[in-house]
Amino acid sequence: GAVVSQHPSRVICKSGTSVKIECRSLDFQATTMFWYRQFPKQSLMLMATSNEGSKATYEQGVEKDKFLINHASLTLSTLTVTSAHPEDSSFYICSARVQGGFGNTGELFFGEGSRLTVL
Amino acid sequence: GDSVTQMEGPVTLSEEAFLTINCTYTATGYPSLFWYVQYPGEGLQLLLKATKADDKGSNKGFEATYRKETTSFHLEKGSVQVSDSAVYFCALLNQAGTALIFGKGTTLSVSS
Repeated sequence: GAVVSQHPSRVICKSGTSVKIECRSLDFQATTMFWYRQFPKQSLMLMATSNEGSKATYEQGVEKDKFLINHASLTLSTLTVTSAHPEDSSFYICSARVQGGFGNTGELFFGEGSRLTVL
Repeated sequence: GDSVTQMEGPVTLSEEAFLTINCTYTATGYPSLFWYVQYPGEGLQLLLKATKADDKGSNKGFEATYRKETTSFHLEKGSVQVSDSAVYFCALLNQAGTALIFGKGTTLSVSS
């Protein structure tokens, strides 16, 4: 099946620094990618929808200036956590939708996730 | 808005026991429904899906039936294995077809 790769898988940073997480579709083109955040013992929370060549669409309550999303090509979307603080520590997961439409197949392909720890 | 509610975990079973993880949903219309699984240290994987009422999704011995009348999509397996230990997420596709709405996840731990 399609493969989505995230990098880095784990990152530890100091408070106040910015961290970039990459999400790549390895064997297909993805016009749309999604970024999720997962808190311990909680569900995935959709943060934003990343559209290639246009601005990301953020979910209510997600600070777009805090979580910068760039989808510069059909195979790469990046999430930058700016001026990170300990409360930003979380597991961030991206997913990609195969170009051609979601239809009713509903098959999103997920990355492995990136665990961010802010000290 | 659309939402998914699944039973709280953790669920702890012995090998070969019967598994049920309950999932109910609230949504506009008739969304497609999914179960995803996350094994330790890995990303999410689609386990099974159902796109319309009365459909039964099945994979790796797991089954779930789309019940419109009870707005449910319970996950079942007749005989669990240690290798089934993972976190299971129920999800629905929103009406716009743009995103998956997830439940909180249920951790399953199977011991031999």
